[in-house]
Amino acid sequence: EVYLLESGGGLVQPGESLRLSCVASGFPFSYHALTWVRQAPGKGLEWVSTINREGDRAYYADSLQGRFIISRDNFKHTLDLQIHSLRADDTATYFCANDPSTGYYDFWGPGTQVTVSS
Amino acid sequence: DIVMTQTPLSSSVSLGQPASISCKSWQSLVHDNGATYVSWLHQRPGQPPRLLIYEVSKRFPGVPDRFSGSGAGTDFTLRISRVEPEDAGIYYCMQATHFPRSFGGGTKVEIK
Repeated sequence: EVYLLESGGGLVQPGESLRLSCVASGFPFSYHALTWVRQAPGKGLEWVSTINREGDRAYYADSLQGRFIISRDNFKHTLDLQIHSLRADDTATYFCANDPSTGYYDFWGPGTQVTVSS
Repeated sequence: DIVMTQTPLSSSVSLGQPASISCKSWQSLVHDNGATYVSWLHQRPGQPPRLLIYEVSKRFPGVPDRFSGSGAGTDFTLRISRVEPEDAGIYYCMQATHFPRSFGGGTKVEIK
């Protein structure tokens, strides 16, 4: 059974940094790309970042370039997202998703909530 | 960037009746390899999205056959042949042909 679980969310102050993690199992982890998607409260889905299966190529939403860093550990089966200089509009639920062929996201974690507020 | 425009924003459908959602992009979503990476997802409150349709018309395993996808190029449609109570929620189209990836704004479906 495919399993993805995010962690690392919480209440943070503007300007701080945060590291989100996603642990996965139930599929050939090192053969799939992985993606982060976020959803602000009451809003739609926003693609954040995708990393290829080798972990040497990453793609980011234009508006997030420079503050977000995606990475993965194919030995530990984990996916990370570092977020720097957090802003109020980064407040959202962050989902990790399996990306088996770069064309769709078939399994998603339940999400981790990030709230940026002073 | 590719903007995915979904219509309608919301829809109230009687139980057992059909429903249809449109998704349009301003740029062709045909990949250089010939595939078209448009998918549809369904989200219920408090839950992560669930994949329904991928590559325009392929139904994900376990998805009821009342869901179907169609379209080509820049225009795509999700159809529900006969809505069931569990079909309530928000539906999103998504394109994964081009980076950055993008989602439609969502269509809220209510079952009467």
